[in-house]
Amino acid sequence: DTGVSQDPRHKITKRGQNVTFRCDPISEHNRLYWYRQTLGQGPEFLTYFQNEAQLEKSRLLSDRFSAERPKGSFSTLEIQRTEQGDSAMYLCASSLAQGLNEKLFFGSGTQLSVL
Amino acid sequence: AQKITQTQPGMFVQEKEAVTLDCTYDTSDPSYGLFWYKQPSSGEMIFLIYQGSYDQQNATEGRYSLNFQKARKSANLVISASQLGDSAMYFCAMRDSQGAQKLVFGQGTRLTINP
Repeated sequence: DTGVSQDPRHKITKRGQNVTFRCDPISEHNRLYWYRQTLGQGPEFLTYFQNEAQLEKSRLLSDRFSAERPKGSFSTLEIQRTEQGDSAMYLCASSLAQGLNEKLFFGSGTQLSVL
Repeated sequence: AQKITQTQPGMFVQEKEAVTLDCTYDTSDPSYGLFWYKQPSSGEMIFLIYQGSYDQQNATEGRYSLNFQKARKSANLVISASQLGDSAMYFCAMRDSQGAQKLVFGQGTRLTINP
């Protein structure tokens, strides 16, 4: 069990550029979540997938953000036309669907800095 | 709507002492789950403990216990015999049946263990 892995760990980009992050969940997990965390705050929910279906998106997820999970395995999160306000840690988590006690396993995150 | 409040931005404790991290929550749903996560400087969120709203007893996991006071809507984390490796950010989170699958996090408490 290699855990949840995210790539890259750090990304520095210029305003207006597009960026893409990748998340590889724990292999038997059917749910995958994306969260965003800014300095001094707790993680904020962005979106989640069950298998390949994207089931919920937060209002935080503007139309510049898109996430995919083809074939229900890894996921990508793309941000188009990045803005300085997009600078944050982007966390991915995976889980097995099991009700209220569903435990999320997190990756180490991708730290995005938009200059 | 779900809401989690952690009122202690920072806590400083001597090694080997016990420490209590506060968490209050708000939900109108009688069915919910409460979680505590630890986030070391590496960034990965680590699950510590879970308490269900209908659980009769307070949850315990090794040195971690959850002081669940349902009427007060509080779910404080108690760490016994603190260790230097306990220094980290700690987040309280909840999920209720009305909030679909997402975990809602508090702002966190930074715990520092002094030798």
